[in-house]
Amino acid sequence: AQTVTQSQPEMSVQEAETVTLSCTYDTSENNYYLFWYKQPPSRQMILVIRQEAYKQQNATENRFSVNFQKAAKSFSLKISDSQLGDTAMYFCAFMKLPYNNNDMRFGAGTRLTVKP
Amino acid sequence: GAVVSQHPSRVICKSGTSVKIECRSLDFQATTMFWYRQFPKQSLMLMATSNEGSKATYEQGVEKDKFLINHASLTLSTLTVTSAHPEDSSFYICSAPMGTNTEAFFGQGTRLTVV
Repeated sequence: AQTVTQSQPEMSVQEAETVTLSCTYDTSENNYYLFWYKQPPSRQMILVIRQEAYKQQNATENRFSVNFQKAAKSFSLKISDSQLGDTAMYFCAFMKLPYNNNDMRFGAGTRLTVKP
Repeated sequence: GAVVSQHPSRVICKSGTSVKIECRSLDFQATTMFWYRQFPKQSLMLMATSNEGSKATYEQGVEKDKFLINHASLTLSTLTVTSAHPEDSSFYICSAPMGTNTEAFFGQGTRLTVV
């Protein structure tokens, strides 16, 4: 079974600064996706960034980037130029392929607070 | 983009009654949908996998007779909490994949309060 571990229950960062959220996972699979989801107070799950395991290049989406270390099974999220709107719960998630037959497994989450 | 709509967003019911939550894929067909439960300040825990045209697959420890799942069409899955009790109060979220190699699209979630 796949497990996802987020060891930082809470993090805080000053506005405009950079913060890194950690995530490790355990799997014997070779074909999978990794995700970071944001859950603001509205509780709507919002996809932040996605990484395909077969790609060596780290995914980036504007201010969000990941450091994907497949051998180490590590998948951290870096948020640059933090904004107040980034305040939310962040979940790391693992998905074995093909998705239709497999669900998404989530870490415990990291509560990020961006301070003005 | 793909949208998954979940209804209702909030519901309050009395102990002993049943509550139905709907999850619809609005612009794509979903043969599989997933139902999660989220306790306050905790992560999403998979409850069951809803399969169109066949029985749902439940995770260990989830009572299939309490949490009835029906995937009646390629765009609709329903979760019915039967004989609800206060301990069933929680946030329930559904998700649906648009294809075989894509991320999940999540509904808005339903906050259930049993009084």
